[in-house]
Amino acid sequence: EAGVAQSPRYKIIEKRQSVAFWCNPISGHATLYWYQQILGQGPKLLIQFQNNGVVDDSQLPKDRFSAERLKGVDSTLKIQPAKLEDSAVYLCASSLGGGQRRETQYFGPGTRLLVL
Amino acid sequence: SQQGEEDPQALSIQEGENATMNCSYKTSINNLQWYRQNSGRGLVHLILIRSNEREKHSGRLRVTLDTSKKSSSLLITASRAADTASYFCATATHGQNFVFGPGTRLSVLP
Repeated sequence: EAGVAQSPRYKIIEKRQSVAFWCNPISGHATLYWYQQILGQGPKLLIQFQNNGVVDDSQLPKDRFSAERLKGVDSTLKIQPAKLEDSAVYLCASSLGGGQRRETQYFGPGTRLLVL
Repeated sequence: SQQGEEDPQALSIQEGENATMNCSYKTSINNLQWYRQNSGRGLVHLILIRSNEREKHSGRLRVTLDTSKKSSSLLITASRAADTASYFCATATHGQNFVFGPGTRLSVLP
């Protein structure tokens, strides 16, 4: 079974530029999560999708971050414009879903973003 | 505020020794999960323990949960160099999603 795929693996941009990350979850997983992990800290949930609907985006900085999950499969996370403090690893995870938040999450390798 | 908090922040042991790390949380939970993260990689699920369970085993891993003290511990027995990683606890609470703690960085020295 293929795991969660993410691209790119690394990205370096200058502040005020825009950037987009892509995630392909495990086939059949209805729930998709985006996390931000700053160096030395645990992952922080940015947004959770159930199929193509948003379940939780309470910690997403909506003035600069946006995410979509068209057709309930792949997802993209965008930052526009980027700030220095956005430097972090962006992790995508998926779970079987069904609206239950207790399930095991399967993580992708992450995208490491450096904002200069 | 952070729900789960691991202790210690960092731990160094010799290969073959046991490693114990703890997680404390603040509110009632549905379950608690432990994840491992190798440097530069995504997180890997290790074990899930539900609020009505007290202990679970998986290979060399043993997890305990004490809901009265709002704490959990992860024991890795007979550690190996490959166990070197960061370990995170994640709590799932009613009406909320997982909240990860800051992690314990484990170094297993050969």
